[in-house]
Amino acid sequence: KAGVTQTPRYLIKTRGQQVTLSCSPISGHRSVSWYQQTPGQGLQFLFEYFSETQRNKGNFPGRFSGRQFSNSRSEMNVSTLELGDSALYLCASRPGTGGFYEQYFGPGTRLTVT
Amino acid sequence: AQSVTQLDSHVSVSEGTPVLLRCNYSSSYSPSLFWYVQHPNKGLQLLLKYTSAATLVKGINGFEAEFKKSETSFHLTKPSAHMSDAAEYFCVVNRGGYQKVTFGTGTKLQVIP
Repeated sequence: KAGVTQTPRYLIKTRGQQVTLSCSPISGHRSVSWYQQTPGQGLQFLFEYFSETQRNKGNFPGRFSGRQFSNSRSEMNVSTLELGDSALYLCASRPGTGGFYEQYFGPGTRLTVT
Repeated sequence: AQSVTQLDSHVSVSEGTPVLLRCNYSSSYSPSLFWYVQHPNKGLQLLLKYTSAATLVKGINGFEAEFKKSETSFHLTKPSAHMSDAAEYFCVVNRGGYQKVTFGTGTKLQVIP
């Protein structure tokens, strides 16, 4: 099976712009989670989607949003970019939301805001 | 509610010596526990997981972890460190359902030649 893919891998944006990141989960996986990773804050949970519904959300401002499509692919959007949004954004998928399911991570999208 | 605490932010060992990365958890119910590894500029990779079967769990690359309910711990060990083990390690707890997956703050392992 193909792994989790994320596009684009690298992105440079200007403060105030918006950005959309894409994640394609492993085939058959219905849960997709997003994380932000920075040197200062570490790995922080953004949100999780399952069957097109957001199940959990982390402590991020409303500028961060996401959605999941019927084929389980997911996108996250960040509007009005700030310098502090520069980070590695990781996507992870798993078959369901049971606690015993491990997450499979993509390689991440490196976002740089200038 | 659930939480996980990684007791050391940095651990340094010499090549060939044992590795111990400590993790304590808190959960209202029996959780599943995981260890992930992240090499520089890479995504996270699953090392091993505990899901209420055997308390001693063996993972990839010679790592293993022991679930101790009485101590609420899930420490990661390896008998002999290799240079390629230098990475950041995350302990994770998940009860499932509507509980989000909870990551520890990570432990950076340095392996000295």
